[in-house]
Amino acid sequence: GENVEQHPSTLSVQEGDSAVIKCTYSDSASNYFPWYKQELGKRPQLIIDIRSNVGEKKDQRIAVTLNKTAKHFSLHITETQPEDSAVYFCAASKDTGNQFYFGTGTSLTVIP
Amino acid sequence: SAVISQKPSRDICQRGTSLTIQCQVDSQVTMMFWYRQQPGQSLTLIATANQGSEATYESGFVIDKFPISRPNLTFSTLTVSNLSPEDSSIYLCSARGASGADTQYFGPGTRLTVL
Repeated sequence: GENVEQHPSTLSVQEGDSAVIKCTYSDSASNYFPWYKQELGKRPQLIIDIRSNVGEKKDQRIAVTLNKTAKHFSLHITETQPEDSAVYFCAASKDTGNQFYFGTGTSLTVIP
Repeated sequence: SAVISQKPSRDICQRGTSLTIQCQVDSQVTMMFWYRQQPGQSLTLIATANQGSEATYESGFVIDKFPISRPNLTFSTLTVSNLSPEDSSIYLCSARGASGADTQYFGPGTRLTVL
């Protein structure tokens, strides 16, 4: 089955700096890679996703890059703000109708 | 996107009893899942709730302990049976395939405490 590894487990950055979280996956058939943000006591919320036919996707301060050959994908947050502090989870999945395999999470703290 | 609700939001139960959690989606979805999340941990998939057939359980989870129903394309229940303190956790349902989209959306979770 699929194995998703996520690093780092914790990350602290100064407000305004960039944050990068990296994930690797093992199943080359995976083709959908979402990222979720989970604030304390809240449900995971989708923040961005990417399909395997695209190398990069950007949405304002958030971007995701995918390297299919190396089987890794990364979340990039620029100009971080205190409200970006949360736990971020990456996931990998095959076609619709299959489960998501989640990484172990990264706790991001943005220091004002 | 899909709007998912769960009931109850939290409960405190006695050892040996059972708790049934309900999950309702505001639109038809292809897949529904049940997860367990311990504080500070990632999401552990319990099972995939299959409409009209038995759920598909992940390794370490069995039907006798976690019976699941999914009578239609918008509703599912998870029962946690014969509760022990080790079952104290947050239980989340999720849904994938709303309006043909690939995204998985989560319910707000049910916080279970077993005394």
